[in-house]
Amino acid sequence: AQSVTQLDSQVPVFEEAPVELRCNYSSSVSVYLFWYVQYPNQGLQLLLKYLSGSTLVESINGFEAEFNKSQTSFHLRKPSVHISDTAEYFCAVISQGAQKLVFGQGTRLTINP
Amino acid sequence: DSGVTQTPKHLITATGQRVTLRCSPRSGDLSVYWYQQSLDQGLQFLIQYYNGEERAKGNILERFSAQQFPDLHSELNLSSLELGDSALYFCASSVGKGPEPYGYTFGSGTRLTVV
Repeated sequence: AQSVTQLDSQVPVFEEAPVELRCNYSSSVSVYLFWYVQYPNQGLQLLLKYLSGSTLVESINGFEAEFNKSQTSFHLRKPSVHISDTAEYFCAVISQGAQKLVFGQGTRLTINP
Repeated sequence: DSGVTQTPKHLITATGQRVTLRCSPRSGDLSVYWYQQSLDQGLQFLIQYYNGEERAKGNILERFSAQQFPDLHSELNLSSLELGDSALYFCASSVGKGPEPYGYTFGSGTRLTVV
């Protein structure tokens, strides 16, 4: 069975500091991996995804994530955060052949000025 | 605007009542997925429909049911509502039966409050 663990429920950082949100998954087969962002009082928006190919994927707003098969991880990073990045971030996985996207519990990113 | 439309945005109802949540998928998407988001359970997959047929079922209670119509919109019916059913209900859509090639696109959700 597939599962996702987001290791930090909350991450406070200062503006312009780097951040890493950690995600580990469990699956016995090949996977597709996603990061979604949920801004306050809004729905989930796809931030970036790994389906195949290059293990480093990037979003349009400066986030990147690297698929590490040996570590079964898909950590999300940004070199310099902004106040507008304050949101909850969800890592999600679906195994090839599986029917559903499985989400982690979410990491609340708080940016302090 | 993600292209996935959910109505209503907010719903307040009493225990024991029945409500219907509606979702229109993004144009061209054939799959619709329903998720429930609550503080204690996180994001839970409920059910998936593909081109009108039920394709996968998750942690959906027997009091809940869903369907996808020929125009591909979907409805989630919640009956005999309990206080614990209060949550955000999200609909998502995808082109095919799974996430390739664009992933899932989520709507903005319906916030259900049972009083």
